[in-house]
Amino acid sequence: DQQVKQNSPSLSVQEGRISILNCDYTNSMFDYFLWYKKYPAEGPTFLISISSIKDKNEDGRFTVFLNKSAKHLSLHIVPSQPGDSAVYFCAAISHGSSNTGKLIFGQGTTLQVKP
Amino acid sequence: NAGVTQTPKFQVLKTGQSMTLQCAQDMNHNSMYWYRQDPGMGLRLIYYSASEGTTDKGEVPNGYNVSRLNKREFSLRLESAAPSQTSVYFCASSFTTLGANVLTFGAGSRLTVL
Repeated sequence: DQQVKQNSPSLSVQEGRISILNCDYTNSMFDYFLWYKKYPAEGPTFLISISSIKDKNEDGRFTVFLNKSAKHLSLHIVPSQPGDSAVYFCAAISHGSSNTGKLIFGQGTTLQVKP
Repeated sequence: NAGVTQTPKFQVLKTGQSMTLQCAQDMNHNSMYWYRQDPGMGLRLIYYSASEGTTDKGEVPNGYNVSRLNKREFSLRLESAAPSQTSVYFCASSFTTLGANVLTFGAGSRLTVL
């Protein structure tokens, strides 16, 4: 059972426009969420995160929104740049009883930003 | 700064062969992880080590063994490779498994089992 889902395998946007990547989760115990970015032939790199006590976190062109009631988060990139073309993974973690820091990843969304 | 280094980057095995993927980090991180990435499946945790001397199973541990050799090194062993283990393997590390830890990943090891 996929606890973290990214239902859009790919997204294509024009340079300068907004990119919105979506992520849904099923486990209500998740209390921290992260986005990772991955270029071909490289490992994923951390992009931005949000705690469940917040509904928004912003870092430059990147903003993550969390809607706990809908168990949904989204990553907004404004404005999008060709260098943002990559695979984006949503990840979630629960600091509950296991407290082991095991991140659960979504399937990834491939973003293509066209010049 | 090397960060997390994985070897080998590419490997082709025949069914039934064994091999070990090596991982080393130079960031003095306490926790280390092995993930596999498959199309449409995202990244799935195979094994992790919260600290030196400890290891624990992740989501997909069957067919793998791990060794936390010391604080820097965490190896993943396939005793009898199967085609289902064809994947890209990523090693990662973090300061701790507690709190909002951020993982640092290696560049990956692409394994093909024929």
